[in-house]
Amino acid sequence: QLQLQESGPGLVKPSETLSLTCTVSGGSISTSSYYWGWIRQSPGKGLEWIGNIYYSGGTYYNPSLKSRVTMSVDTSKNQFSLKLSSVAAADTAVYFCARLSQLLHYGFDIWGQGTVVTVSS
Amino acid sequence: DIQMTQSPSSVSASVGDRVTVTCRASQGISSWLAWYQQKPGKAPNLLIYAASTLQSGVPSRFSGSGSGTDFTLTISSLQPEDFATYYCQQTNSFSVTFGQGTKVEIK
Repeated sequence: QLQLQESGPGLVKPSETLSLTCTVSGGSISTSSYYWGWIRQSPGKGLEWIGNIYYSGGTYYNPSLKSRVTMSVDTSKNQFSLKLSSVAAADTAVYFCARLSQLLHYGFDIWGQGTVVTVSS
Repeated sequence: DIQMTQSPSSVSASVGDRVTVTCRASQGISSWLAWYQQKPGKAPNLLIYAASTLQSGVPSRFSGSGSGTDFTLTISSLQPEDFATYYCQQTNSFSVTFGQGTKVEIK
């Protein structure tokens, strides 16, 4: 059974770079039918898509965050990562990683539990 | 960018009620639409994809319809475990947008 687990610092200072990793277990990240995504949820707010990455490295980013986002994939470790630069208080959120399935008409069918990231000095 | 607008933002209902949530896209998205249920402190759970296809394991009281710009999620007979927030999501040209959510509350 495929599982996703987010990891990374829970506290980041303003203007610094937020770095998170999602580890995929129970299956391979190098599967042609899936993309891997990051989604965040600010306290009490809705879901905001950050971006998707394919195992070959192709990326798609939210236009509103594109200038600050970098996603990468490490197939040898079965992991993909998110870097968000120049963070501010508005980037405080729960960050989820998830699998985007071509087979399910591009629905996110498996999610990590989420990790809380607070931006504060 | 394609914007997704859900209505209502919240609805109060009783167990056994029929509940309908609407999602409108700012431009046509064919059937590239999914619905999720999210409970407090948990990750979202995929209910429906391709606008009307029930994800495996999801109860049949959930159904989806629509294509183009107008979509609907219906819960035919609300159960206690259905009180949650529901989100629509579109994927078009590899760009993803979520609706703002609809909270289904106990009346």
